[in-house]
Amino acid sequence: RKEVEQDPGPFNVPEGATVAFNCTYSNSASQSFFWYRQDCRKEPKLLMSVYSSGNEDGRFTAQLNRASQYISLLIRDSKLSDSATYLCVVNTPGGSYIPTFGRGTSLIVHP
Amino acid sequence: DGGITQSPKYLFRKEGQNVTLSCEQNLNHDAMYWYRQDPGQGLRLIYYSQIVNDFQKGDIAEGYSVSREKKESFPLTVTSAQKNPTAFYLCATEGTPNTEAFFGQGTRLTVV
Repeated sequence: RKEVEQDPGPFNVPEGATVAFNCTYSNSASQSFFWYRQDCRKEPKLLMSVYSSGNEDGRFTAQLNRASQYISLLIRDSKLSDSATYLCVVNTPGGSYIPTFGRGTSLIVHP
Repeated sequence: DGGITQSPKYLFRKEGQNVTLSCEQNLNHDAMYWYRQDPGQGLRLIYYSQIVNDFQKGDIAEGYSVSREKKESFPLTVTSAQKNPTAFYLCATEGTPNTEAFFGQGTRLTVV
């Protein structure tokens, strides 16, 4: 079983739509959680950290459910510029905490 | 200008050759990581280092080697023993332990 699992998509949505991604992790001792955005042929960039209390940044909301070991990302009012791959990252214990990546979920926003 | 610099951006290797990818940072971060990304895939950990003069194997270390002689530098050598080296290689750093990672712009390696 992969440590961090994501539906690869693609999610194909019209502008203005609301879209949600989920990510599950297998190690219950995992600590910090993040969503990264990766554009085609570029490096990943931090989108937001994920807290148990939830985290909102404009149109983006991230949630952590420790009991069920999943993380979610909600994007409201999708823009064309939101088209990218969204990577779920879990800091997984292994001596120290190591950033462990899901394979990413592809989002395509169309006019 | 602070950040993480990977070079070269594109690298072509003949079969049987060793090549070294450079990763330099001026963020004063202790932890550094090397990941490999194949098309349509997530990032897989090759090696990591939490402190100077120490490094650990990741999930796919076979055919790779690293060194960490200076805090600022964590070069990755792709040896001839790596049978399928064509990929996008990403170097990352982490400041405070167990926080977010920051990435260089990556090196795209192609075997010709």
